Amino acid sequence: DGGITQSPKYLFRKEGQNVTLSCEQNLNHDAMYWYRQDPGQGLRLIYYSQIVNDFQKGDIAEGYSVSREKKESFPLTVTSAQKNPTAFYLCASSRDRGKLFFGEGSRLTVL
Amino acid sequence: QKEVEQNSGPLSVPEGAIASLNCTYSDRVSQSFFWYRQYSGKSPELIMSIYSNGDKEDGRFTAQLNKASQYVSLLIRDSQPSDSATYLCAVKSVGSASKIIFGSGTRLSIRP
Repeated sequence: DGGITQSPKYLFRKEGQNVTLSCEQNLNHDAMYWYRQDPGQGLRLIYYSQIVNDFQKGDIAEGYSVSREKKESFPLTVTSAQKNPTAFYLCASSRDRGKLFFGEGSRLTVL
Repeated sequence: QKEVEQNSGPLSVPEGAIASLNCTYSDRVSQSFFWYRQYSGKSPELIMSIYSNGDKEDGRFTAQLNKASQYVSLLIRDSQPSDSATYLCAVKSVGSASKIIFGSGTRLSIRP
């Protein structure tokens, strides 16, 4: 079945640690996105990528990094520079005109 | 000013009535508009997309777009308890290719 797979589903991080969230899609979509969602809030754009080896900062890119070495993969690293990383992270992909297909999300908690 | 604005709610609607959700956006060159439904603890799912002025109907859902006034709305007819969720408005602009911005969402509660 085609879709977007995010892992891990739940992740705990100690302060000062970097963590990487995985996002893989087999939908053959060109564009991929990372959003952050805090409780009771909407989605805020972290990074997005239209094609392999190219990505752009979203509205809240500070403290995060990404790579796009393959069309299918768009991992997100939450660095120690991100001061308040506890959140629900959503990866999505899009084929055309902006219709987003989301993964199931990853919940990151800082201990 | 936020790029995409929604009333956070909660909006409470009796079962069987029409629920009306509104969204305004600031970028006049926005080209694509979407409504997503998100159940608590789950990821959003697309329910409607609209690209040109006017109404677009799909089952019990109708999306309305008015580019001159920069608003997009979603009507849900014959509201069901299963429609209780947060509804997110999203906008894709021409200026920043592929950038898709979400509003903060409106919580909808359908009361029996």
